[in-house]
Amino acid sequence: AQSVTQLGSHVSVSEGALVLLRCNYSSSVPPYLFWYVQYPNQGLQLLLKYTSAATLVKGINGFEAEFKKSETSFHLTKPSAHMSDAAEYFCAVRNTGGFKTIFGAGTRLFVKA
Amino acid sequence: DAGVIQSPRHEVTEMGQEVTLRCKPISGHDYLFWYRQTMMRGLELLIYFNNNVPIDDSGMPEDRFSAKMPNASFSTLKIQPSEPRDSAVYFCASSSLQGPQYTGELFFGEGSRLTVL
Repeated sequence: AQSVTQLGSHVSVSEGALVLLRCNYSSSVPPYLFWYVQYPNQGLQLLLKYTSAATLVKGINGFEAEFKKSETSFHLTKPSAHMSDAAEYFCAVRNTGGFKTIFGAGTRLFVKA
Repeated sequence: DAGVIQSPRHEVTEMGQEVTLRCKPISGHDYLFWYRQTMMRGLELLIYFNNNVPIDDSGMPEDRFSAKMPNASFSTLKIQPSEPRDSAVYFCASSSLQGPQYTGELFFGEGSRLTVL
C-alpha cells in the first residue's frame, strides 16, 4: 500500500533563508509524486509534480523538488523564503496503476521577518 | 476557465439534521473526488468517481454518508443524520488522464466548512 510521511508538522525559517520540507513515500511501483500548497481558507493548489520525466522538478514560486528513488524521498526546497510562502504544504503520492492520491499529514511553514 | 465550484462555503447545522454538499467539477474532467480535512486526521479520501460511476468508497466513514454523481457536471455528498464529529472541511477535486499533459493532478475547490452543533 502506498503512503507518504512528511517529517515535521511545523517548520519555521527566516525570510531569505533556505526552505526544506521533507517527504518520504512508500510505493510498490514507480509513483507519481506531487507537492500541493494550501493557503488559509482555500483549497489545495498544485505546486509541482514528478512524473518520471526528470528527477529534479521545478514548480511555481521558485520551489523545486528532487526525486531520489534510493532514498524514497521527494523533498521540497526553495533557496530563499518569502513572507508569502507561509502556508501549509502537502506531499502526495499516486501509483501509476491507479487513481487514488494519498496525502501526507502536511507541514506548516512559518516565515519570520 | 472556471475551477471546481463547491457550495455552500460554510454550513452550520444541528446534530441530527441532513447536510448536502455540492460540487461542480471542471468541464471535461472525468474523475471526481471527495476529501475531508480535519486537524486530527488530515486529508482523507472519502470516495471517488470515474465517468460518474463510484469507483472506491472505502473511505466513507459510515452509512450516514452517501455520495452521488448524477451527471458529469454535478456531485453531492450527503450526511444524514449529521453528528458533531462530522465537523470538518469537505473538499471536492476533479482530474483527468485525457491527454499527455495530464498526469492525474487534482484540482480542488475552495471547500465547504461544516460545523455540526
